[in-house]
Amino acid sequence: NAGVTQTPKFQVLKTGQSMTLQCAQDMNHEYMSWYRQDPGMGLRLIHYSVGAGITDQGEVPNGYNVSRSTTEDFPLRLLSAAPSQTSVYFCASSPLTGGYGNTIYFGEGSWLTVV
Amino acid sequence: ILNVEQSPQSLHVQEGDSTNFTCSFPSSNFYALHWYRWETAKSPEALFVMTLNGDEKKKGRISATLNTKEGYSYLYIKGSQPEDSATYLCAFRKTSYDKVIFGPGTSLSVIP
Repeated sequence: NAGVTQTPKFQVLKTGQSMTLQCAQDMNHEYMSWYRQDPGMGLRLIHYSVGAGITDQGEVPNGYNVSRSTTEDFPLRLLSAAPSQTSVYFCASSPLTGGYGNTIYFGEGSWLTVV
Repeated sequence: ILNVEQSPQSLHVQEGDSTNFTCSFPSSNFYALHWYRWETAKSPEALFVMTLNGDEKKKGRISATLNTKEGYSYLYIKGSQPEDSATYLCAFRKTSYDKVIFGPGTSLSVIP
């Protein structure tokens, strides 16, 4: 049972480069999201999706792009990397139906350094 | 943007002490409040999902309460142990189809 899978786990980028963080889940969850973790700031929402073809901005969307062409995949694109995007990125998913508040499942994180 | 706040920002307690943290969220609409335990370099670990006003949940020495009318939840740890050292995050969801917003977390250090 794979759950939420993120790749790559570690990446070093030069300023101005672009890259895509991949996220896939095998639980048929409608909701998928990307967070970044910075010291003292908890998890801040970048973008989220409530189903294939539907995406929306979170708290800190600038410099990032997402798409949701399938239920399973939710890639996060850095368009032109900046040192301020050095962070740990978490992908998360949850069902949207079924009640009981719908537990959120996390990937293992992707450590990104922009030099 | 929804405002989810947590206090205190950090806490240092002696082993064996009991402690509690607060999470506050907008009380106008409510679907769920989540508590997570988070250690550096690891994925957040789910503790509780709370959906009803007056909910009380318990898992070992950790328990949580929920007041949706006034917009707060408390997390309690009884008899803190060094292995309880972590950041405790709460997360709020306004409706079942809405985004999940996390608070900034409370960092707990338990001193042996």
